Amino acid sequence: DAGVIQSPRHEVTEMGQEVTLRCKPISGHNSLFWYRQTMMRGLELLIYFNNNVPIDDSGMPEDRFSAKMPNASFSTLKIQPSEPRDSAVYFCATIKDYSYNEQFFGPGTRLTVL
Amino acid sequence: SQQGEEDPQALSIQEGENATMNCSYKTSINNLQWYRQNSGRGLVHLILIRSNEREKHSGRLRVTLDTSKKSSSLLITASRAADTASYFCATDYGNNRLAFGKGNQVVVIP
Repeated sequence: DAGVIQSPRHEVTEMGQEVTLRCKPISGHNSLFWYRQTMMRGLELLIYFNNNVPIDDSGMPEDRFSAKMPNASFSTLKIQPSEPRDSAVYFCATIKDYSYNEQFFGPGTRLTVL
Repeated sequence: SQQGEEDPQALSIQEGENATMNCSYKTSINNLQWYRQNSGRGLVHLILIRSNEREKHSGRLRVTLDTSKKSSSLLITASRAADTASYFCATDYGNNRLAFGKGNQVVVIP
């Protein structure tokens, strides 16, 4: 199995631009999580999907952030417009189902907003 | 939301020594998990301990959980250079949502 796949691995953009991060979960995993990691705030849960449905988006920092999961094999996290304080590493993680608590993390996308 | 919190100190040890890290949390949990992160990589699950368990072993890892003190410890025995990484505790506060601590940097010197 290829594991959780994220793209791009690195993204550098200018303030005000739209950024789209992508995640392909492990086949058969039906829950997906988006996290943000910074030195100051550590690892924060942004949003959580179960069976493609957003369950908890209370961690999404602002309306500039949105996430979708149109099908079981793809999810996006979009920031529009981006700001320098959005610079962070964004991780996608998946679990098989409710009874399997181990989360499998992707390699992350390092976002730099200038 | 709750927050797992490790003792916020870096740990530098010689290969072969044991490494111990602690974690505290604030409210009730379903389980507590430990993850490892190598530099520039995603997190890797190490071990999970449920709220009704007190101790668990996996290879060179030993984790304890004291729900009365809301604390956990992770012990890595006979450390190796490859154990150099950041270690995070994470508390499951429901529906598999995890609250992560800030991490403990461990350096194992060959």
